[in-house]
Amino acid sequence: DIQMTQSPSFLSASVGDRVTINCKASQNINKYLDWYQQKHGEAPKLLIYNTNNLQTGIPSRFSGSGSGTDYTLTISSLQPEDVATYFCLQHSSRPLTFGSGTKLEIK
Amino acid sequence: EVKLQQSGDELVRPGASVKMSCKASGYTFTDYAMHWVKQSPGQGLEWIGTIIPLIDTTSYNQKFKGKATLTADKSSNTAYMELSRLTSEDSAVYYCARSGNNYANWFAYWGQGTLVTVSS
Repeated sequence: DIQMTQSPSFLSASVGDRVTINCKASQNINKYLDWYQQKHGEAPKLLIYNTNNLQTGIPSRFSGSGSGTDYTLTISSLQPEDVATYFCLQHSSRPLTFGSGTKLEIK
Repeated sequence: EVKLQQSGDELVRPGASVKMSCKASGYTFTDYAMHWVKQSPGQGLEWIGTIIPLIDTTSYNQKFKGKATLTADKSSNTAYMELSRLTSEDSAVYYCARSGNNYANWFAYWGQGTLVTVSS
């Protein structure tokens, strides 16, 4: 199984800050990496698929990058409504596997 | 508007089975795969498996083989997951999630989740 190591586990930042969250795969996942946002008490929501494709309706302050084993989610200017837990998912090979999550709060 | 409506929360006894549903609307049910995901405090998010309703083909995470059974009813646009021989380890929120473009393996839309509590 491909292991996804996500960092940091917890992140505190100020409104307007640039925020980055990382996922490292245990092997090359060929850009088959997605990012999800989960607000408290809600289902996860797709933000970005296949490394850098913004899902319809997602604000452009969210972006993704990476290749090989290393991937990054960037929020260019943190907003109060971005408080959530963020997960990565690799779908390069089965079983599909998630990162352990990054809890993002406003400082 | 794509919507996945999951069945209500369940309280079940250890050793029993539970079957939950995920009713899809707002798209052609047979044009996409349906995934199921487990979320528990101890294990985070785990992919359980996938069903392609058009051809009734399933793919399971080895960890959930024998535990989960995925089915789909094309006539009612509903996907189902049955969990058997329940233990406390099965207490979790279970989500259905529709695939991305056709059968792509990202989770474009999610149901609201079904909480399963296993307790005597």
